[in-house]
Amino acid sequence: AQTVTQSQPEMSVQEAETVTLSCTYDTSESDYYLFWYKQPPSRQMILVIRQEAYKQQNATENRFSVNFQKAAKSFSLKISDSQLGDAAMYFCAYSPYQGGSEKLVFGKGTKLTVNP
Amino acid sequence: DTGVSQDPRHKITKRGQNVTFRCDPISEHNRLYWYRQTLGQGPEFLTYFQNEAQLEKSRLLSDRFSAERPKGSFSTLEIQRTEQGDSAMYLCASTPGGDTQYFGPGTRLTVL
Repeated sequence: AQTVTQSQPEMSVQEAETVTLSCTYDTSESDYYLFWYKQPPSRQMILVIRQEAYKQQNATENRFSVNFQKAAKSFSLKISDSQLGDAAMYFCAYSPYQGGSEKLVFGKGTKLTVNP
Repeated sequence: DTGVSQDPRHKITKRGQNVTFRCDPISEHNRLYWYRQTLGQGPEFLTYFQNEAQLEKSRLLSDRFSAERPKGSFSTLEIQRTEQGDSAMYLCASTPGGDTQYFGPGTRLTVL
């Protein structure tokens, strides 16, 4: 069974600084998706960034980028120029590429605090 | 363009009562998922529909849980004879294909 591990229950960063959230996963599949979702307090989960495993190039979305290391099964999220609105729970998630339900398997999350 | 909506947003019930939640996915999204999220944890998969067909159920989904998507549009999740352990946030997500899932705001269930 696939598993996702987020080893940092909590992280904090100063506004305008850079922070990296860690995620490792375990799978025997060669093709899959990896996601970072953000869940602000009392608000719904929204997609931050997505990576297809067959793509070697790391995904980037504005201030958010990932470091995808397929052999190491590592998928970290870097947030640059942190803003107060980035404060939230961040969940790393895995999904198989095709042929099934593509259900998401989530880690336990990392709570990010942004200090002014 | 409306997102995924869920109703109600909050539900408080007494142990032993039945509850039903509704999810309206994004229009024309043929896949719909239910997840459960307990405090301090990531969401856990419960079940999945492609159109009106329920194609997969997690072992987390006991016999007291039933889900439907009668016309391939909205979906309902019913919990019979609720227990305190059912207290959680119930999340619905939809997708047009095996790709990014878009989540609703969730229904927070409290069983007293």
